[in-house]
Amino acid sequence: DTAVSQTPKYLVTQMGNDKSIKCEQNLGHDTMYWYKQDSKKFLKIMFSYNNKELIINETVPNRFSPKSPDKAHLNLHINSLELGDSAVYFCASSRYFDDSGNTIYFGEGSWLTVV
Amino acid sequence: GQNIDQPTEMTATEGAIVQINCTYQTSGFNGLFWYQQHAGEAPTFLSYNVLDGLEEKGRFSSFLSRSKGYSYLLLKELQMKDSASYLCAVRDSNYQLIWGAGTKLIIKP
Repeated sequence: DTAVSQTPKYLVTQMGNDKSIKCEQNLGHDTMYWYKQDSKKFLKIMFSYNNKELIINETVPNRFSPKSPDKAHLNLHINSLELGDSAVYFCASSRYFDDSGNTIYFGEGSWLTVV
Repeated sequence: GQNIDQPTEMTATEGAIVQINCTYQTSGFNGLFWYQQHAGEAPTFLSYNVLDGLEEKGRFSSFLSRSKGYSYLLLKELQMKDSASYLCAVRDSNYQLIWGAGTKLIIKP
């Protein structure tokens, strides 16, 4: 059973389109994250939700809007896609947010290519 | 600002030992993590250090010195499947994980 699953895995779309990536975790974790990994392989936190509440909102264009309908789901909607949005987007979860030894579990990633 | 430094790439021979270093400057410290990421895959957890010293887990060990802002990941008896990127990450005082860019490890026969 996949612990953190996200769909789609691959997405090729045109500039200006709107797209969504869905994420679900079956680990019973309280906290979920969206990370962006660019071509230089840096993992950058975008958003974090704890029990459906937004707790981290990094400097991300407001074209990116997360939505957490319940603590097992965290979806990412992107409006007006730009070439620079091309990257791998990882969903992740952890049991708690404010625990030092918190291990983060990642989904398989969504490869977004904007053309 | 917060910073994690690790070498971009390292090469080692199958069966050998390799040490991947990580130095960090962060706002506070609440633990250091090592993750492994194979090409085209998600990062997976390898180790966690919060106190100074060596943590051993099979062929992999991780060391931490908080006073020096330094950690290393030691991989023994290298196998071809160990070819991957190794990411160092530090949890700061706000419990946010700050990630390094990763070290790409190439294993040669």
